Amino acid sequence: TQLLEQSPQFLSIQEGENLTVYCNSSSVFSSLQWYRQEPGEGPVLLVTVVTGGEVKKLKRLTFQFGDARKDSSLHITAAQPGDTGLYLCAGATNTGNQFYFGTGTSLTVIP
Amino acid sequence: NAGVTQTPKFQVLKTGQSMTLQCAQDMNHEYMSWYRQDPGMGLRLIHYSVGAGITDQGEVPNGYNVSRSTTEDFPLRLLSAAPSQTSVYFCASSLMGYGTEAFFGQGTRLTVV
Repeated sequence: TQLLEQSPQFLSIQEGENLTVYCNSSSVFSSLQWYRQEPGEGPVLLVTVVTGGEVKKLKRLTFQFGDARKDSSLHITAAQPGDTGLYLCAGATNTGNQFYFGTGTSLTVIP
Repeated sequence: NAGVTQTPKFQVLKTGQSMTLQCAQDMNHEYMSWYRQDPGMGLRLIHYSVGAGITDQGEVPNGYNVSRSTTEDFPLRLLSAAPSQTSVYFCASSLMGYGTEAFFGQGTRLTVV
């Protein structure tokens, strides 16, 4: 079993629609990150959240860290084809030495 | 600006063969790690290092060895390849583990037949 479970695993939506991706765990994380990965490339960092309840906005993307620091969500408003990719959450343990990735959400935005 | 460089990009091995995946970074990062990526499972941590001379196991270390003789290099060795090790392998580095940005290489696609 993986420490971080993401849902949904696959998401296919029309351009202009909104969506939310969830990242859940039974463990507490000292920080939570979201990465985006395109085919044939390594993941690239989108955002880091470190405080329970924290909300960060990056243009049309809104990231939230749960109050208990066990879960996070990524909301995309008015999705565009350029948002297509694999979205991964990642959490650091309290020691910061082990960095666990979620199971991933593959997003396809259809023009 | 090279960042994290992995070689090779593609590799086919026969069961039982050994090989080393190379990873080098030029950002003077202390923390380096190896992940494998399989469909539906995200990235799983194999081994990591918090500095030269220090390595530790991640979630799925069996069948793999690492060493960290310099800050720049963190090779991953497959001792006796098995079909279950068919995967895409990513090396990453960051300034430190906690909350800092991880920079990834482009990956090595390994097939064991």
